[in-house]
Amino acid sequence: EAQVTQNPRYLITVTGKKLTVTCSQNMNHEYMSWYRQDPGLGLRQIYYSMNVEVTDKGDVPEGYKVSRKEKRNFPLILESPSPNQTSLYFCASSSTVTDTQYFGPGTRLTVL
Amino acid sequence: GENVEQHPSTLSVQEGDSAVIKCTYSDSASNYFPWYKQELGKGPQLIIDIRSNVGEKKDQRIAVTLNKTAKHFSLHITETQPEDSAVYFCAAHGDSGGYQKVTFGTGTKLQVIP
Repeated sequence: EAQVTQNPRYLITVTGKKLTVTCSQNMNHEYMSWYRQDPGLGLRQIYYSMNVEVTDKGDVPEGYKVSRKEKRNFPLILESPSPNQTSLYFCASSSTVTDTQYFGPGTRLTVL
Repeated sequence: GENVEQHPSTLSVQEGDSAVIKCTYSDSASNYFPWYKQELGKGPQLIIDIRSNVGEKKDQRIAVTLNKTAKHFSLHITETQPEDSAVYFCAAHGDSGGYQKVTFGTGTKLQVIP
């Protein structure tokens, strides 16, 4: 089954404790992206990657890091999480042929 | 950068009526305009999209129109059903040959009243 998976689905952590949210897709998509969703603000792009070793900032990259060492994986790293990073996070992937983005199920992060 | 405005933020319609959601964008370089439906507890899912070389696209009860001159596009849902109740997002960005920074609207919560 074609899908985008994210782990963990739920995470409660404390300020300053480094964490990684994993994202993996099995569709051989070139493009992958991370978004955060906050009430009233819609989805805002954090980082995106056009292919392996090619990443670029979205609209809200501060406090986040990403890497793309393999085509299927695109982890999101919060090196020193803060309460304002409490949000619902989505990973997505797409083919550069169709542009249709496929979203993962989301990760709800709470930073205390 | 791109800015996408979406209206209304909430919309209630009677079952069987039509629903229209509108978006405007600012960057004339955008040429791909998808619409996503997000059900409670799930990730957004594409329902229809349109490219800048097309003015209208229809898929059963759902249609999208694009006015590239005015920089706005709209989602039309006819004969609404309770299962259409969800949050809908529009987005704008370049296609695979250009940049891939994606900008979403702030969402419309649609409620279809049986």
